[in-house]
Amino acid sequence: GESVGLHLPTLSVQEGDNSIINCAYSNSASDYFIWYKQESGKGPQFIIDIRSNMDKRQGQRVTVLLNKTVKHLSLQIAATQPGDSAVYFCAEMAKTSYDKVIFGPGTSLSVIP
Amino acid sequence: GAVVSQHPSRVICKSGTSVKIECRSLDFQATTMFWYRQFPKQSLMLMATSNEGSKATYEQGVEKDKFLINHASLTLSTLTVTSAHPEDSSFYICSARDGGATNEKLFFGSGTQLSVL
Repeated sequence: GESVGLHLPTLSVQEGDNSIINCAYSNSASDYFIWYKQESGKGPQFIIDIRSNMDKRQGQRVTVLLNKTVKHLSLQIAATQPGDSAVYFCAEMAKTSYDKVIFGPGTSLSVIP
Repeated sequence: GAVVSQHPSRVICKSGTSVKIECRSLDFQATTMFWYRQFPKQSLMLMATSNEGSKATYEQGVEKDKFLINHASLTLSTLTVTSAHPEDSSFYICSARDGGATNEKLFFGSGTQLSVL
């Protein structure tokens, strides 16, 4: 299930199940969105991105859904594996903000073998 | 894909000393680089935007004199934490955008863990 910890929400899933990580963004001017994976002690790793003129984009085992009406973004990971355990961040960018990429609060995904 | 190299990966220093962190784009030219800091179990917070050949743009609440940023070439940006104190201990991460690419993708360094004693 999903719970909110002191700083970082956590999501625990069984190996092989699908994972859905959600993110709410606040800037209605944002027009580019990215999902990153961060393992402990490392920099963020690009997973998938989506522009505001799309509502769905698929990659290898991952799908990003964008709902601009409610300013919501989700990352779906199919057949979750132990190697998927990490912290996942959504990030947004608006051309009107000098192309700065602003990160969301993050979700810690824990895969149970 | 593009590679961003960040050094050092870890540094321990005494309170009052200055620490320099380097961020290099290895196979592309980065007209813009970004510096973030991250506390344990928290998100990345943007500190400043570094533009080649001009002054950095700092986010609200980030001390310019404390965190000196230099972006003297298209492949190198440096962050100097001046007169570091224990509260500056954090994970610092740089990122760069390929100035020659048509997309907005950011590439991240591997981060620098700063511990101030």
